[in-house]
Amino acid sequence: QGQLVQSGAEVKKSGASVKVSCTGSGYTFSDYGISWVRQAPGQGLEWMGWISVYNGHTKYAQKVQGRVTMTTDTSTSTAYMELRSLGSDDTAVYYCARDDRMKPADFDYWGQGTLVTVSS
Amino acid sequence: EIVLTQSPATLSLSPGERATLSCRASQSVSSYLAWYQQKPGQAPRLLIYDVSRRATGFPARFSGSGSGTDFTLTISSLEPEDFAVYYCQQRSNWVTFGGGTKVEIK
Repeated sequence: QGQLVQSGAEVKKSGASVKVSCTGSGYTFSDYGISWVRQAPGQGLEWMGWISVYNGHTKYAQKVQGRVTMTTDTSTSTAYMELRSLGSDDTAVYYCARDDRMKPADFDYWGQGTLVTVSS
Repeated sequence: EIVLTQSPATLSLSPGERATLSCRASQSVSSYLAWYQQKPGQAPRLLIYDVSRRATGFPARFSGSGSGTDFTLTISSLEPEDFAVYYCQQRSNWVTFGGGTKVEIK
């Protein structure tokens, strides 16, 4: 049974950057992709982007394009999401989810979520 | 961007009743439509993918249907553990989620 474990909660100042990690286990990490989804307090789900662990390709949502970088380290089965120039509207729970290796698809395993709080 | 509109926003029902949730897309998503269940404080769980395929761990009382732009998630007889928020998601053109339907106890 696959599992994704994310790094702990973060508190950041406006304008700072945050980097969230997501470590996979119980499946062949490099055979899949990882998508990142966030959820602002009391709100719905917002897809941020996808990275193929298989070939390194990425796709970013227009809303965060230019501020986000997704990377992976296959030696540690870990994916990373870095978001820069944080603003108050970036306060959210950030989830990683296992995805298809060729393109964004459906998300069958999810991490437990990482709360990122942005304060002024 | 493909916009997914879910209705109703809230569905108030009693255990044992039938729940019918709707998801409408701003343009055709073919059969690339999934549903997720989310309970408070938990990550979402994949419930249905490719319109009607049930994910592992979900019972047969959950079913999905539809094509093109109109999709339905049906829970044939609500169990206490089914009260949650349900999101639809398309992968036809990048990825977008609907705003969610909360199924609450009446």
